[in-house]
Amino acid sequence: AAGVIQSPRHLIKEKRETATLKCYPIPRHDTVYWYQQGPGQDPQFLISFYEKMQSDKGSIPDRFSAQQFSDYHSELNMSSLELGDSALYFCASSFSLGTRAYEQYFGPGTRLTVT
Amino acid sequence: GENVEQHPSTLSVQEGDSAVIKCTYSDSASNYFPWYKQELGKRPQLIIDIRSNVGEKKDQRIAVTLNKTAKHFSLHITETQPEDSAVYFCAARGETSYDKVIFGPGTSLSVIP
Repeated sequence: AAGVIQSPRHLIKEKRETATLKCYPIPRHDTVYWYQQGPGQDPQFLISFYEKMQSDKGSIPDRFSAQQFSDYHSELNMSSLELGDSALYFCASSFSLGTRAYEQYFGPGTRLTVT
Repeated sequence: GENVEQHPSTLSVQEGDSAVIKCTYSDSASNYFPWYKQELGKRPQLIIDIRSNVGEKKDQRIAVTLNKTAKHFSLHITETQPEDSAVYFCAARGETSYDKVIFGPGTSLSVIP
């Protein structure tokens, strides 16, 4: 079965540079979530999109922005990178039907290293 | 906002023994409780979930119980195997599918052969 695809899988950037992470949800999934996971930490919710509209916002820095496109893929744009932004970034997707909450499936993650 | 607590933070068991991880949540509106298993450097993988209209759910060696009145839910793994060693996260979520999942801090489970 198709899974969530994330690219790139690894990314090395210098401080103050910009990075763009991409997420391709499971086909027919209409909701995308972004999480940041530091070493030894639980995944922290950043932002989510439902039907191309921002649906919720968590601890996402103002330096970060994201959007969901017409084909449901999503991009997380990170500017003025800081050393503390080094982490695993996961995208997850789910399907909605009315108000029923369905399972979130995670992508393999993008490991971002800021030097 | 929603807060999920999880205990213990680390757990070591002998192969074949049972492991129990307990979580509590703060938002009474939460009604979906997934459990994720994460191996080092890998993605969180959904292993079992429970909804608020069910008190218990079982899938082979894994079971989850939910006490909505007390806002407690637990993961039980029986006949543990070395491949069960991983970090386990409990989580809580609201009704609508676009509600964010709030994770607990995780339990590092080690199964000793």
